[in-house]
Amino acid sequence: AQKVTQAQTEISVVEKEDVTLDCVYETRDTTYYLFWYKQPPSGELVFLIRRNSFDEQNEISGRYSWNFQKSTSSFNFTITASQVVDSAVYFCALSEDTGFQKLVFGTGTRLLVSP
Amino acid sequence: SQTIHQWPATLVQPVGSPLSLECTVEGTSNPNLYWYRQAAGRGLQLLFYSVGIGQISSEVPQNLSASRPQDRQFILSSKKLLLSDSGFYLCAWTGGKGTGELFFGEGSRLTVL
Repeated sequence: AQKVTQAQTEISVVEKEDVTLDCVYETRDTTYYLFWYKQPPSGELVFLIRRNSFDEQNEISGRYSWNFQKSTSSFNFTITASQVVDSAVYFCALSEDTGFQKLVFGTGTRLLVSP
Repeated sequence: SQTIHQWPATLVQPVGSPLSLECTVEGTSNPNLYWYRQAAGRGLQLLFYSVGIGQISSEVPQNLSASRPQDRQFILSSKKLLLSDSGFYLCAWTGGKGTGELFFGEGSRLTVL
């Protein structure tokens, strides 16, 4: 069975600090997809990134970066120079390659960035 | 461009009352549609998904049901709400073969008293 674990329930940082959100997954599939979503206070989930299991290249998008390591089944998310607007709940998710998207979500990490 | 809308945004209902949450997608055809629920302090749980009109798959046994009367309309219903049905309900869609990202609606917050 697939499972996503986000062990950090809540993280508090001060603006401009770097912060890493951890995500560990379990799957028996060789082909799968990993996602990160952001849920601001408004509630709507905002897609951040999708990564397939054959692409282990790390990715950087502005202040965001992602570290995918199959050897440790981890897909960690780092925010550099955090800002107050980064305050949100962040979800990691996993989907197997069924041709149909059924995401299994972690329980989320609440990030609080104070000025 | 594609958009997804849910309504109502908030709902307070007594135990035993019926429920109807609606979701509509615009700007795309034959989307895969999903209902997720987010309970307080927990992750998102997939409730139902649909690959086409009238085709509904249930992930979790419960007193909720879903219907897809039109290609871009997805409805979540209950005949009698329970306290445990309280939560934040999110509709989502994806297109193509379904390996792309899910796009979520604004969510509907249900409180059952």
